[in-house]
Amino acid sequence: AQSVAQPEDQVNVAEGNPLTVKCTYSVSGNPYLFWYVQYPNRGLQFLLKYITGDNLVKGSYGFEAEFNKSQTSFHLKKPSALVSDSALYFCAVRDNYKLSFGAGTTVTVRA
Amino acid sequence: EAQVTQNPRYLITVTGKKLTVTCSQNMNHEYMSWYRQDPGLGLRQIYYSMNVEVTDKGDVPEGYKVSRKEKRNFPLILESPSPNQTSLYFCASSAARDSYNEQFFGPGTRLTVL
Repeated sequence: AQSVAQPEDQVNVAEGNPLTVKCTYSVSGNPYLFWYVQYPNRGLQFLLKYITGDNLVKGSYGFEAEFNKSQTSFHLKKPSALVSDSALYFCAVRDNYKLSFGAGTTVTVRA
Repeated sequence: EAQVTQNPRYLITVTGKKLTVTCSQNMNHEYMSWYRQDPGLGLRQIYYSMNVEVTDKGDVPEGYKVSRKEKRNFPLILESPSPNQTSLYFCASSAARDSYNEQFFGPGTRLTVL
């Protein structure tokens, strides 16, 4: 069975500073990894995914994620955070037809 | 506009009163799924469907039923709701059946069972 861990419940950064949201995964087969973002009172929006190939994946809104097979990690990054990036972020792993989510990390970017 | 719609968006009901939450997508997606979101637990998959008349259990299927009679619709049925089913529910869909396709989520249905 697959699983995802997001070790930080909350991440707080100042606007303009780098943002990192951590994720580690466990899956028996090839990892298909995703990041989603949830703004208040909204559904989840897809940010980016890793299937295969380059370990650095670029996605929407200036976000990127680094896949590290040896550390089984898929950390989300943004070089310069904006106040509008404040939201709840979910890492997910898909194995066959099941999608497993982490508990989520609340990101707060202060002006 | 490509979207996943859910109805109702908010629902307060009482224990034991059957209810249905509808989900519809206009993207001709084969795959559809239901999740519940609870604080500190993230999203947990309830049921999913790979195509019409093909459904399977997710991680937390107890107390729920689904059906997939048409490609665009995937209703979630609670035959006898209980307070522990109070949650935020999301429907999602994705193209084809490949595991690497991202899912599109509906706006959510907040259910309270008294």
